[in-house]
Amino acid sequence: NAGVTQTPKFQVLKTGQSMTLQCAQDMNHEYMSWYRQDPGMGLRLIHYSVGAGITDQGEVPNGYNVSRSTTEDFPLRLLSAAPSQTSVYFCASSAPAGTDTQYFGPGTRLTVL
Amino acid sequence: GENVEQHPSTLSVQEGDSAVIKCTYSDSASNYFPWYKQELGKRPQLIIDIRSNVGEKKDQRIAVTLNKTAKHFSLHITETQPEDSAVYFCAASKGSGNTGKLIFGQGTTLQVKP
Repeated sequence: NAGVTQTPKFQVLKTGQSMTLQCAQDMNHEYMSWYRQDPGMGLRLIHYSVGAGITDQGEVPNGYNVSRSTTEDFPLRLLSAAPSQTSVYFCASSAPAGTDTQYFGPGTRLTVL
Repeated sequence: GENVEQHPSTLSVQEGDSAVIKCTYSDSASNYFPWYKQELGKRPQLIIDIRSNVGEKKDQRIAVTLNKTAKHFSLHITETQPEDSAVYFCAASKGSGNTGKLIFGQGTTLQVKP
């Protein structure tokens, strides 16, 4: 199993540009989440999904959009990038009940100029 | 909503000493408390977790304790080694139904001096 994969690893955008961060998992996990990590602030939940077709907002959802059309994929869209969205983005997945363990992807480092 | 506070923000210990990191949470409905270790430039990795029906859990040199009444939980690392140097995060969630929704503490940078 590849686990949780994210692309790209690095990205530089100009203010106002849009892009999609990709996340995929091959563990048949129902739960997937997006976090952003900023220095001194830990990881903050952006959006999460409890299954295909179901998404909900986390702590910091503004400026981000998500959809979950399949169990495997959970892309994060930035509609109009702003410098405040410069961060490291982590995707994570977990199975419902059971261990509740969340598995993180390798992260995407995004810089918005 | 849930809030998790973590202390201290930095911790420096001598190799072989113990390290303790503490977290408090606000939502009494939280019942799942994992701890993650993150090395520089890497993804967070789960090192230990505890559920609200358990007061303490150990795994070799690592242990976690939970006080539901006070709404706080702690990570204890004994016989610290230089490879324990990393950033440690606590988190909380209402497990089994909300496991995609971890709320993290701010992190503790642990430095173990040889």
